[in-house]
Amino acid sequence: GAVVSQHPSWVICKSGTSVKIECRSLDFQATTMFWYRQFPKQSLMLMATSNEGSKATYEQGVEKDKFLINHASLTLSTLTVTSAHPEDSSFYICSAPNPQAAGYGYTFGSGTRLTVV
Amino acid sequence: RKEVEQDPGPFNVPEGATVAFNCTYSNSASQSFFWYRQDCRKEPKLLMSVYSSGNEDGRFTAQLNRASQYISLLIRDSKLSDSATYLCAVNTGGFKTIFGAGTRLFVKA
Repeated sequence: GAVVSQHPSWVICKSGTSVKIECRSLDFQATTMFWYRQFPKQSLMLMATSNEGSKATYEQGVEKDKFLINHASLTLSTLTVTSAHPEDSSFYICSAPNPQAAGYGYTFGSGTRLTVV
Repeated sequence: RKEVEQDPGPFNVPEGATVAFNCTYSNSASQSFFWYRQDCRKEPKLLMSVYSSGNEDGRFTAQLNRASQYISLLIRDSKLSDSATYLCAVNTGGFKTIFGAGTRLFVKA
């Protein structure tokens, strides 16, 4: 139980284009979804917290106009990387609090590997 | 100082060895603690939550020391399949969780 489905798994796009990444909670309601970015051999860095029905909360240094987050329903959150550049190439991953895990464990999506050329 | 710090390793150990990882956190108000396992190019998967009383799951034992603000993970009788990166994670309130950079483990035959 407590599965988060994320797609696409990987995407290659040209500089200047936009890419949308979706995360769906399949068997539970996720009122909150976290979006992370991970560069090779580095830690997961929290980008923003999306909340169903309200604006996302962005971490310091993350451009909200570049990384658009929408949490349209209790089971769907999307991250759109707008006007992508090669430096945006990274592993993007979402997570949601796992209602089945004691102590607020998190369930992660399978991640999206973005390559901007 | 980073909020959550781990020794990046790598730890290279033979099969059957016991290996321990430590992780320190800076926010004394942190409430929940976890260990995750991340395989190469995959998403992290929850290994275990960490409680003040310590907890054990098979070959894995996690401990929390609030006074010194660190958590540990002990793996006994290492298997080849334990090779991965181990991330500690600290919940700082609400649902916000901060991850360490991870410790890489290589178990060799």
